[in-house]
Amino acid sequence: EPEVTQTPSHQVTQMGQEVILRCVPISNHLYFYWYRQILGQKVEFLVSFYNNEISEKSEIFDDQFSVERPDGSNFTLKIRSTKLEDSAMYFCASSEFASDTQYFGPGTRLTVL
Amino acid sequence: GQQVMQIPQYQHVQEGEDFTTYCNSSTTLSNIQWYKQRPGGHPVFLIQLVKSGEVKKQKRLTFQFGEAKKNSSLHITATQTTDVGTYFCAGEDNYGQNFVFGPGTRLSVLP
Repeated sequence: EPEVTQTPSHQVTQMGQEVILRCVPISNHLYFYWYRQILGQKVEFLVSFYNNEISEKSEIFDDQFSVERPDGSNFTLKIRSTKLEDSAMYFCASSEFASDTQYFGPGTRLTVL
Repeated sequence: GQQVMQIPQYQHVQEGEDFTTYCNSSTTLSNIQWYKQRPGGHPVFLIQLVKSGEVKKQKRLTFQFGEAKKNSSLHITATQTTDVGTYFCAGEDNYGQNFVFGPGTRLSVLP
């Protein structure tokens, strides 16, 4: 069964460094999403992406965040200058249609030191 | 690795009927969360269960965490059309290392 994959599974970085989190959505899906979960808290929506542009973003998704679909398969989340409070699990999801169920990846645990 | 399964995958009910979705984990969980995603929307947090055997209610929704902390259920009494959506469970393992979403149960409510 097709699944969403994410790399790396765990990323450790120094405060102020840039990180890129990678996701490979399900191949025929057109809608892509990033979510964040700070340890022990609920999952929060960051951004949705369709047709090579952001379709919706939350207040969390500020100027330090960006998303890109650099090729036909990858979907990336870049954090330009990481802060301690960016430490969280980052989940990627994809769906075939806007109103369809989203399929979640396994997540990347980001630790900012 | 940890796996979280949900059944059924789809459920169609007549308005007024009850609905239950079941969530099963391959490993013991420290806690479980439930989310609802309306068509076209994003998963929205409903509740978190932490204690073995815990039961929590939110109006017509009843959430239960199994005694072994490996399974959970969400029961909706007398469904309404506003209940339409996909219900996800998500569980965290005992080490706080893995948080895994189930595949979701899509609920359709026919008026």
